[in-house]
Amino acid sequence: AQSVSQHNHHVILSEAASLELGCNYSYGGTVNLFWYVQYPGQHLQLLLKYFSGDPLVKGIKGFEAEFIKSKFSFNLRKPSVQWSDTAEYFCAVTSNSGNTPLVFGKGTRLSVIA
Amino acid sequence: ETGVTQTPRHLVMGMTNKKSLKCEQHLGHNAMYWYKQSAKKPLELMFVYNFKEQTENNSVPSRFSPECPNSSHLFLHLHTLQPEDSALYLCASSQVSGLAEGTQYFGPGTRLLVL
Repeated sequence: AQSVSQHNHHVILSEAASLELGCNYSYGGTVNLFWYVQYPGQHLQLLLKYFSGDPLVKGIKGFEAEFIKSKFSFNLRKPSVQWSDTAEYFCAVTSNSGNTPLVFGKGTRLSVIA
Repeated sequence: ETGVTQTPRHLVMGMTNKKSLKCEQHLGHNAMYWYKQSAKKPLELMFVYNFKEQTENNSVPSRFSPECPNSSHLFLHLHTLQPEDSALYLCASSQVSGLAEGTQYFGPGTRLLVL
C-alpha cells in the first residue's frame, strides 16, 4: 500500500527565509505526485503536480518541488517566504498505472512571522 | 472558487439525528470523492465514485452512507453519528481518463460537530 511521510509537523520561519518541506512516499511503481495548500479558512488548493518529464516542477506563488526517484522524495521549496504563505501544506501521491486513490501525508503547518 | 461547492458549510447534530451533506461539481468531471479531515491526522479517503459507480469504500462505518445520483452531485447521509465523527468533511472531483486519475479539486468542506 502507498504511504506518504511529511517529516515536519510545524515549521516556523521569518519572512524572506528559505523553505524546504520534506515529503517521502513508499510505492514501488510509477507515481503522480502533488502538493496541496490549505490557507486559513480556505479550501485545499493544488500548488503543483508531477506526472512525468522534468523532475523539477514549478507551481504557483513561486513554489517548486523536485522529484528524486532514487530517494522516493518530492520536497517542496521556496527561496523566500512571505507572511501570506502561512498555511498547511499536504503532499499526496497516486499511482499512474492503475486506478488507485490519492494518498495524503499528515500535512505540515507553516507559520511565517514578520 | 474551485468549481466544487459543498453545503452546509457548518453542521451541528446530535447523535440521534439524521442529516445529509451535499456536494456539487461544475467542472464536468466523472469522479467524485468524500474525505474526512481530522486534527493531526492525514486526510482520510472515505468513498470514491467513478461514473456514478462506487469504486472505493475505505472501511467506513455504515452510519455514513454515500449517494451519487449523477456525475455532478454527491451526498453523504449521516445517521446515529458519534462525537469522534466530528471533523471537516471534504468533497473533491477529478477527471479519470483510462487508468489514470487526474488532479483532484476540492470543495470548501463541511465542518461537522456531533454532540
